[in-house]
Amino acid sequence: AQSVTQLGSHVSVSEGALVLLRCNYSSSVPPYLFWYVQYPNQGLQLLLKYTSAATLVKGINGFEAEFKKSETSFHLTKPSAHMSDAAEYFCAVSDRKAGTALIFGKGTTLSVSS
Amino acid sequence: EAGVAQSPRYKIIEKRQSVAFWCNPISGHATLYWYQQILGQGPKLLIQFQNNGVVDDSQLPKDRFSAERLKGVDSTLKIQPAKLEDSAVYLCASSLGQGRSQETQYFGPGTRLLVL
Repeated sequence: AQSVTQLGSHVSVSEGALVLLRCNYSSSVPPYLFWYVQYPNQGLQLLLKYTSAATLVKGINGFEAEFKKSETSFHLTKPSAHMSDAAEYFCAVSDRKAGTALIFGKGTTLSVSS
Repeated sequence: EAGVAQSPRYKIIEKRQSVAFWCNPISGHATLYWYQQILGQGPKLLIQFQNNGVVDDSQLPKDRFSAERLKGVDSTLKIQPAKLEDSAVYLCASSLGQGRSQETQYFGPGTRLLVL
């Protein structure tokens, strides 16, 4: 079965610093991969997704992620953090064989200090 | 375009009581999902509908949870009787439903349930 591991339940950065949120997946077949963001008391919003068209995926709000098959990773980055980026971030995978439902990691809370 | 609507936003009940949540997906979306998000964890699929048929309910605790999507649009998720461990946020999501795993799922704001 597919699984997703997000390293670090909490990441703290200063405003303007690089943001790096880690995600590793387990699969013998490259899956589809997603990053979602959740602001307090809101639903999940899609940041970006990997669908095998390109390994470097650009999303909204300046975020991007690179799919690395050899490392089974899909880490999320942003060159310069903004206060408004403070939120919870979820990496998710869908299994091409099992259907369209998403399997989520446990999430990483990003804090941004001024 | 209107997003996924859910109600109520918050609900507090005592254990052994029943509760129901409602979801209205984005217009034209054939696939509807219910996820359970326990504090400190990622969302977990409870049930998936394609139009008004169930695609996957393997993780739904069927002794106490039930869900329906009678006309292939709105959906209701019910818990009866509720247990303490059912305290969570219940998220509804929808997608176009063309059967592709890379389809984007759009999430509603969720219903936060507290069972005392």
